[in-house]
Amino acid sequence: DGGITQSPKYLFRKEGQNVTLSCEQNLNHDAMYWYRQDPGQGLRLIYYSQIVNDFQKGDIAEGYSVSREKKESFPLTVTSAQKNPTAFYLCASSIVSGEGDTQYFGPGTRLTVL
Amino acid sequence: SQKIEQNSEALNIQEGKTATLTCNYTNYSPAYLQWYRQDPGRGPVFLLLIRENEKEKRKERLKVTFDTTLKQSLFHITASQPADSATYLCALNSNSGYALNFGKGTSLLVTP
Repeated sequence: DGGITQSPKYLFRKEGQNVTLSCEQNLNHDAMYWYRQDPGQGLRLIYYSQIVNDFQKGDIAEGYSVSREKKESFPLTVTSAQKNPTAFYLCASSIVSGEGDTQYFGPGTRLTVL
Repeated sequence: SQKIEQNSEALNIQEGKTATLTCNYTNYSPAYLQWYRQDPGRGPVFLLLIRENEKEKRKERLKVTFDTTLKQSLFHITASQPADSATYLCALNSNSGYALNFGKGTSLLVTP
């Protein structure tokens, strides 16, 4: 099946620890994205990548880091510098045509900091 | 600053009626606008895209309008069903071109 997967679905972390969220896609999409969603809020862009080994900061990149070593994978690390990391994290992918590229989302990872 | 505004209050309608959701934006000149559906605890799913030179787009029971003068898009679901209950998000292309900026979404509840 083609699609985008995220793991784990639920993640618990102690305060002060770094944690890495996985995102994999087999849609052959060039672009990948990470969003954060808080209750009653829209999606806020953390990082995005158009091509392997290149990525750009979104609106709320502070306290997060990413890598794009493979086209299929775009892991997100939530570092201890992120002051309020408890949230629902969504990964997405798309082609890059510049003409209205729709995004395909994964099922999300809910991170809770204890 | 750029803003995307959707009705923050939930919309409750009766089955069979038409639901109309609003998306207003400021300080944007979007080339296109997209609508997504999100169910609780799940990722958004793409529904429709409308370009700046299109006034209206339809897909089955869904209709989207795009008024670049009013800076507004309307999203209609005709003959609504309880299964249409979800949160609906509008999204505009950001200044980078291919990244999207999302509104906060409007929650729709269709009751039998």
